[in-house]
Amino acid sequence: EPEVTQTPSHQVTQMGQEVILRCVPISNHLYFYWYRQILGQKVEFLVSFYNNEISEKSEIFDDQFSVERPDGSNFTLKIRSTKLEDSAMYFCASSALVISDEQFFGPGTRLTVL
Amino acid sequence: GENVEQHPSTLSVQEGDSAVIKCTYSDSASNYFPWYKQELGKRPQLIIDIRSNVGEKKDQRIAVTLNKTAKHFSLHITETQPEDSAVYFCAASNNFGNEKLTFGTGTRLTIIP
Repeated sequence: EPEVTQTPSHQVTQMGQEVILRCVPISNHLYFYWYRQILGQKVEFLVSFYNNEISEKSEIFDDQFSVERPDGSNFTLKIRSTKLEDSAMYFCASSALVISDEQFFGPGTRLTVL
Repeated sequence: GENVEQHPSTLSVQEGDSAVIKCTYSDSASNYFPWYKQELGKRPQLIIDIRSNVGEKKDQRIAVTLNKTAKHFSLHITETQPEDSAVYFCAASNNFGNEKLTFGTGTRLTIIP
């Protein structure tokens, strides 16, 4: 069964550094998402992406965040200048138009900002 | 925007008994309600979902009910087993899942052998 994949599984960075989290959505999916989950808390929506542009973003997704689909397979989340409070698990998800309602989640990248 | 409340936050159930988790939502435009199971350190995985045009859906030991008037939906797990132990999240979305999911705060379910 096809799965969403994410790299790296764990990223440790210094405050103020840039990080790029990578995702490979399921190949025939058209909607892509980033969510984050601070340890012990609920999953929170960051941004959705469709047809090569952002379709919605939350208030968490400020100017420090950006997303890109640089080629036909990858979907990236960039945090320009990380803060301590960016430490969380970041999940990528994808869904197919029409075929299914389900959003399929990747295994996550644990980001630790020191 | 949408707000999803979930109760209880923790639930312990004797193996073989039933477990019920309840959620309420605020946005009457929401039309898709999935339930995700998250084991420790793993990705959320969909276990069952329901659209707003249906009042109940069942899949083996798992069922979900939806009351659109009251804006609440519930997860029912019967004949619970130790492998049901996990955190369960409800969520709500517009556009049948192709919009963002708004998650509840989660329920940690522990099955006591």
